[in-house]
Formats: sequence, structure tokens, C-alpha cells
Amino acid sequence: GIQVEQSPPDLILQEGANSTLRCNFSDSVNNLQWFHQNPWGQLINLFYIPSGTKQNGRLSATTVATERYSLLYISSSQTTDSGVYFCAVLGQGGSEKLVFGKGTKLTVNP
Amino acid sequence: DGGITQSPKYLFRKEGQNVTLSCEQNLNHDAMYWYRQDPGQGLRLIYYSQIVNDFQKGDIAEGYSVSREKKESFPLTVTSAQKNPTAFYLCASSAQTVLYGYTFGSGTRLTVV
Repeated sequence: GIQVEQSPPDLILQEGANSTLRCNFSDSVNNLQWFHQNPWGQLINLFYIPSGTKQNGRLSATTVATERYSLLYISSSQTTDSGVYFCAVLGQGGSEKLVFGKGTKLTVNP
Repeated sequence: DGGITQSPKYLFRKEGQNVTLSCEQNLNHDAMYWYRQDPGQGLRLIYYSQIVNDFQKGDIAEGYSVSREKKESFPLTVTSAQKNPTAFYLCASSAQTVLYGYTFGSGTRLTVV
């Protein structure tokens, strides 16, 4: 099945810093989502982005489907950005299952 | 407000017991999913259902069972056959698997005592 790798596994920032999280996937995809899991376990959908670029406030994401990767940018990070960021993909070829990477754990210090 | 409700938030199970986790959605979504998350790990798919009265096994279905008698409900039973059930369980739904994103519930944390 399709493989999803996220990097880095851990990231520590000072408040106000910018960061880039990466998601590589092994095959063509129909669906790619970025999620933020807060300290209470809730998964929040950040972007649905199988291709192209989207922005939402301080967050933006770019997926280059032909090169099989997606990037999540966080600018001017805040302590509330802390948590785990997951990339999840739905492969082409009839797959009905969203496959998750292992996540990037982000800690933003004041 | 539309959303997904999981209950209970915390659940304790004794060895040898079956327990059922509830998942209800009022988003009118066709598809529903159950994922398991272990500490420091990503999410792994247990079962999913695309229509009422139909469901398929995911990657780690052994020791679990589900039903989909109503569109809005997809309960998960953790049976005594599941040898390591302590985990965080997340339910999700989507309108269509390909074109739309997933919405997740807030999860149930199950602990074996």
C-alpha cells in the first residue's frame, strides 16, 4: 500500500519563529489532508490539498502531486500551535482508506 | 452545529470484558471510520463503512467488531479477543472518500485495568 513519511519527527521552536513540515508519499493520491492534533487528542482538519497551494491565516500548504510531496508552513508560531501535525493521503487506484504518517511533534516555547 | 460525538471520553475495561464505544454524526455523511492511535504513533484503520448495513475491515480489525444499522451511528466493540486494547480511539466521517476531507470526533481513551 501507499507509504507516508513525515519529517522532522520532532521540532522545537521559539515563539515567533517560522517552520516547514514535510510529507512524502510513495504513490499518486486523490486526497491529501493536514491535521493538527491538540494536547487533548482532538484532530483538527487544517487543509484538504491534493494539489496546489492554500493559505489560512498563518498557515499555508503546498502539494506538488507530480513529485509526491506536500509542505505545511507555519509562520510566526504561537504556543497554541504546539501539538502533533499529521499528513494523511488517499491513494489512487480504488483505495478507500486514508493512510496517516507518523506525525511531526511541534513544541513552541514562549 | 454539525459534528461527530464520541462517548465516553474515558473508558476502563477489565480483562475479558467486551466494551462498546459510541460514535454519532449529524453531518449526513455516508462514510464512517474507526482509527486506533498508540502513544507516539500515527493512526491505524480498524474498520470503515461507506453505506448503511455494510462495512469493511481495515488494517487492524482483529479483536474488534462494528455495526452500521443507521447512517448516523457506527459503534465499535472491543472484544476480549483484542489482546492489547489500551489506546486512543478516534471516529471519523466523510461525505465521499475521494473528493472531501474527513471530520474527526474528540476520541475515547480506553484503558485495561
